[in-house]
Amino acid sequence: AQSVTQLGSHVSVSEGALVLLRCNYSSSVPPYLFWYVQYPNQGLQLLLKYTSAATLVKGINGFEAEFKKSETSFHLTKPSAHMSDAAEYFCAVSPMTSGTYKYIFGTGTRLKVLA
Amino acid sequence: GAGVSQSPRYKVAKRGQDVALRCDPISGHVSLFWYQQALGQGPEFLTYFQNEAQLDKSGLPSDRFFAERPEGSVSTLKIQRTQQEDSAVYLCASSHGTVQETQYFGPGTRLLVL
Repeated sequence: AQSVTQLGSHVSVSEGALVLLRCNYSSSVPPYLFWYVQYPNQGLQLLLKYTSAATLVKGINGFEAEFKKSETSFHLTKPSAHMSDAAEYFCAVSPMTSGTYKYIFGTGTRLKVLA
Repeated sequence: GAGVSQSPRYKVAKRGQDVALRCDPISGHVSLFWYQQALGQGPEFLTYFQNEAQLDKSGLPSDRFFAERPEGSVSTLKIQRTQQEDSAVYLCASSHGTVQETQYFGPGTRLLVL
């Protein structure tokens, strides 16, 4: 079965520091991968997605992620954290073999940015 | 254009009551998904519609949960005889086609069952 693991339910970084949020997936076939951000009392907003094209994916708000098949990882990074980045981040996988194309989400990582 | 909208945004129900949650997807989107997000957890898939056809309801937790999309646009998720464990945020998402495309999420309905 497909699954997604996000290491670290809470991550704190200083403003201006590197942001690294980890995501590992379990899949026999490389899936489509997504990162979403959720601000309080709001829905999920797409940051970026991997669809088997370039392994380094650039998204909105300066975020990027690199697909590493050998490590089954899709970690999210941002060179310099901003206070407005404080939110909850979800990694999701959509198995290519699924006729439903439903998302399977990780449990989320709450990012705190310290002034 | 407008995004995915959901109503109500908040719902408080007494245990045993029936509730209905509405989702208005982006106009023209063929696919519609419902997810349940418990406190502190990631969203979990409930059901999927392609136009008016419910193609996957494998995530519905019990037969108290029922979803419909009769005209292929607006969808309603109904929960009968609500239980406390039904308390969660219910998210609706839509996507343009029927293959793997970006899903656009609504703001969710926060359901609290007392």
